[in-house]
Amino acid sequence: SQQGEEDPQALSIQEGENATMNCSYKTSINNLQWYRQNSGRGLVHLILIRSNEREKHSGRLRVTLDTSKKSSSLLITASRAADTASYFCATGESSNTGKLIFGQGTTLQVKP
Amino acid sequence: DADVTQTPRNRITKTGKRIMLECSQTKGHDRMYWYRQDPGLGLRLIYYSFDVKDINKGEISDGYSVSRQAQAKFSLSLESAIPNQTALYFCATSDVPGRKGLGANVLTFGAGSRLTVL
Repeated sequence: SQQGEEDPQALSIQEGENATMNCSYKTSINNLQWYRQNSGRGLVHLILIRSNEREKHSGRLRVTLDTSKKSSSLLITASRAADTASYFCATGESSNTGKLIFGQGTTLQVKP
Repeated sequence: DADVTQTPRNRITKTGKRIMLECSQTKGHDRMYWYRQDPGLGLRLIYYSFDVKDINKGEISDGYSVSRQAQAKFSLSLESAIPNQTALYFCATSDVPGRKGLGANVLTFGAGSRLTVL
């Protein structure tokens, strides 16, 4: 079964606005990662946050992690049309087997 | 050249046919994975291999088999394809956690192989 549930499934915003996507998971984790997928292409790693971290930044990306609520959010600030893509969270197990379990993804459309 | 190369990129086949999807990588990573993507279901892990002699089943291994021919090559086979195996298949690689201090698997994906089973 899928580990991650992402919310919303689809999001449409105007260029310049911020986009927030949420991910909830079920079991204890070692880390949580966010990936981006342009239509029909392979996924690209964006950012990783470890279970002992609460917030992480990378350029226009901000990720938070709340292990007590088993949830994470990805914020993209000042969005651009080029940010249009699907975004997936992926969780690494606390036993650190190395497997990643992916959520169902959020499809983001940024209108110019 | 891409770090992770998948062939074929597109394939249409008929029910009952044997299909092999191939993956090769130049990352020098020990770990390789096969995922399947279906609309609305995200990515699901089919098989993974942590080295040439280590093969493990993922969430949805039934109907699939794999072969790790070398560190750089990992192939996925459908012995007798069926229509519900129509999907986008991704190969991915990762380094051993901790080797570069990451302590986590960060995946590098191929461009995908779109398989249609009629």
